[in-house]
Amino acid sequence: DGGITQSPKYLFRKEGQNVTLSCEQNLNHDAMYWYRQDPGQGLRLIYYSQIVNDFQKGDIAEGYSVSREKKESFPLTVTSAQKNPTAFYLCASSGEGWNQPQHFGDGTRLSIL
Amino acid sequence: QKEVEQDPGPLSVPEGAIVSLNCTYSNSAFQYFMWYRQYSRKGPELLMYTYSSGNKEDGRFTAQVDKSSKYISLFIRDSQPSDSATYLCAMSVGGGSNYKLTFGKGTLLTVNP
Repeated sequence: DGGITQSPKYLFRKEGQNVTLSCEQNLNHDAMYWYRQDPGQGLRLIYYSQIVNDFQKGDIAEGYSVSREKKESFPLTVTSAQKNPTAFYLCASSGEGWNQPQHFGDGTRLSIL
Repeated sequence: QKEVEQDPGPLSVPEGAIVSLNCTYSNSAFQYFMWYRQYSRKGPELLMYTYSSGNKEDGRFTAQVDKSSKYISLFIRDSQPSDSATYLCAMSVGGGSNYKLTFGKGTLLTVNP
């Protein structure tokens, strides 16, 4: 079945450590997105990519980095510069065309040890 | 004033009730409107997607958009315990900026058997 796969489901980070969250999609979608969700908050956009080898910062990009070397993959690195990384991270993708809705994976919950 | 306002609830109803979920927005440029359902520890699932004023029906769900009042609603008929989830409204201006979804904070719904 086509879909978006995020891994791992749960991740723990030590102080000063970088961690990478995986997002893979087999929907042949051009655009991919990373969001952060905190309790009682709406989703906030971290980074997005509309095409391979290109990506743009969203509203809260500080302390995060991404790459888009393949169409189906958009990994997110949470760096040690992100001082409050505990959150639920969601990856999404959307198809060709500017009016296509976004579809989400099942998220990765990141916690600090 | 926040761009999108959504009553956080929680909302608790008996099985079989009609549920009304609402969002208001301030940006008159929004053209595309979505409702997502999010179960606990899961990613948001797209329920409804519309870009015009009026009603759109899909099974027990009806999405209503009133652009003149900047108000959108999701109605759930014959609600079931399986409808218990957080419902998120989202909207975008479309065109080249369709990457930018603005989300409400979500309404937590519980349907009691």
